Parts: sequence; C-alpha cells; structure tokens
Amino acid sequence: DQQVKQNSPSLSVQEGRISILNCDYTNSMFDYFLWYKKYPAEGPTFLISISSIKDKNEDGRFTVFLNKSAKHLSLHIVPSQPGDSAVYFCAASANFGNEKLTFGTGTRLTIIP
Amino acid sequence: EPEVTQTPSHQVTQMGQEVILRCVPISNHLYFYWYRQILGQKVEFLVSFYNNEISEKSEIFDDQFSVERPDGSNFTLKIRSTKLEDSAMYFCASSHTSGTRSNEQFFGPGTRLTVL
Repeated sequence: DQQVKQNSPSLSVQEGRISILNCDYTNSMFDYFLWYKKYPAEGPTFLISISSIKDKNEDGRFTVFLNKSAKHLSLHIVPSQPGDSAVYFCAASANFGNEKLTFGTGTRLTIIP
Repeated sequence: EPEVTQTPSHQVTQMGQEVILRCVPISNHLYFYWYRQILGQKVEFLVSFYNNEISEKSEIFDDQFSVERPDGSNFTLKIRSTKLEDSAMYFCASSHTSGTRSNEQFFGPGTRLTVL
C-alpha cells in the first residue's frame, strides 16, 4: 500500500547546483505535505511543509512545489551544499497535519563537492 | 530550541521480554506519536495519542503494544512480549495543538531496539 512514493532511491548533484527531489501520492484525502531530512541513526528532521491550499512554499534555500491535479510534489534545494547530503523523506497527512504521517521510501541525496 | 528526547538510545532485549521506550515531547505540544523504521524500510506509523487516549493506531499496534503518559512530561511505548520482528528504530514525535493551518510533527532521535 504505497500511498506516498519516491521513485528515485538516490540522486547525486554537484555542489552549487539545484537538487530536485520528487514525490507522488495517491490518497486524495492528503492535504498537508512535509519534507524531512534524515541522517543515519538520527530521527527525521523537519525541513519544510506545504498545505493543499498553496502550490508553493519557500524557506531559504528550500522550496516545495505542490501540483494537486497531478498528485505530485517536489523539493528544490538551491544552491546545494555538501551538508545537504542525507536521506530525504516526503510525508503526507490528512486534516492539515493533525493526523498520522504516511512516509515515502526516501531518496538518498549526495552532494558532490 | 525545544526538542523531543528519547531514552534509551539503544535497547537490547531477549525475545519474550517486556521493554519500555521513553520519550519527552516538546513541552507545549499536545499530540504525541510513535513511529518505527525497520532497517532498510520506510518510517511507519504506530499510534497517535491526544487528550490521554489513543486517537488512532495502525494494524502493527496490536495487543502487545501500549502507550501511556504517566505524568505531565513523559510518553512511553511498552512492548509486552517482544518478538524478533520488533527489532527496529522507534521514533517518538509530537506536534502542537489542532486548529492551526499547519501542524508539523517533530521527531526525537529514536531508540534502536534489538531483540535477540
């Protein structure tokens, strides 16, 4: 039951370039989406979120885009830095985040110096 | 900056033993969650807790699992009789009140449970 899918298990990007991570979802009840960054043996760290009433949210180097009709969201990191190397998880929730999170399988981002 | 804390960081136990994993959520948060991640798999929801009762649980959260908020700060997950397949990282998370338009969940560092 893969309601949240991240089809790219890994991504390598040159330092200074843009990293684009993608996520697709199938459940129409999801109305709140989050991106988390995770290092090995640590908990997920919240990065940025977006509500279904918006199609874009920006926070510093991180921008999340939501395409509701395509049930697709993406995280843009620009410029990419070596410290961005981690596993990135997309997560979705209903009721504007007041319910459980359903996670994707993650994308391992490697920034090449 | 306030954060979710979890103890212990690593717990090793024998199959059939009881374990209690402890969490201290962020102090003004009212929603509490447990998730787990089996090695190589995705993070899975176990249970949510609000107003001193379970608000939702997954099919993973069977009768062997229980949660409790014994005082104003701790939130615990108990596994009554551990199985080999319970070996995983267990994450506690908390979020602020409802009624807001955004409600991020903040995660603790996790407890690695190893069942032998």
